[in-house]
Amino acid sequence: GQQLNQSPQSMFIQEGEDVSMNCTSSSIFNTWLWYKQDPGEGPVLLIALYKAGELTSNGRLTAQFGITRKDSFLNISASIPSDVGIYFCAGPRGFDSGAGSYQLTFGKGTKLSVIP
Amino acid sequence: ETGVTQTPRHLVMGMTNKKSLKCEQHLGHNAMYWYKQSAKKPLELMFVYSLEERVENNSVPSRFSPECPNSSHLFLHLHTLQPEDSALYLCASSRGVRGFTDTQYFGPGTRLTVL
Repeated sequence: GQQLNQSPQSMFIQEGEDVSMNCTSSSIFNTWLWYKQDPGEGPVLLIALYKAGELTSNGRLTAQFGITRKDSFLNISASIPSDVGIYFCAGPRGFDSGAGSYQLTFGKGTKLSVIP
Repeated sequence: ETGVTQTPRHLVMGMTNKKSLKCEQHLGHNAMYWYKQSAKKPLELMFVYSLEERVENNSVPSRFSPECPNSSHLFLHLHTLQPEDSALYLCASSRGVRGFTDTQYFGPGTRLTVL
């Protein structure tokens, strides 16, 4: 089945530093989603990407849909303590698998810790 | 607007107990989902309802029984659970189930511990 590999699994950074994480797959995805999950809460959608090569920003967050459609990147600039959490990439299984778009495949997440 | 709410937020139950998890969405969505989130594992889709009809059941054990009385409410009835069922159970909703833009919005989850 389709799998999403996220790296790094975890990272510790100093407040103010920029962060970069990525998500790769052996299969093509038509949509890439990035979620953030705070401790004790459900995932919250940060950015949705719908087109290969697309670069989208949401405040200090920037995500890109890789041109091969097999990867995506999330960057956070000038990190702050509230950026702490787990960042998940997700994408719907392709229609060619017979699955509906609601059947999201999730990565295992990148756990971000910010040192003040 | 409160989006997607879940109750209770925390639940501890014995293996012989029967309990129910509740989810409510205030977004006017037509689809609702139950996910299981275990430590160090990707989110696992359990059930999907679209317009109150179940459209997905990912080989979930029968000790988990979903109920969707209307498009705003979703329940997960639990009975004779096992300790390995301890996890965070997340509810989500989306406008529909077929479009790429039908983004799923998650609730805060219920942290379940089975003793």
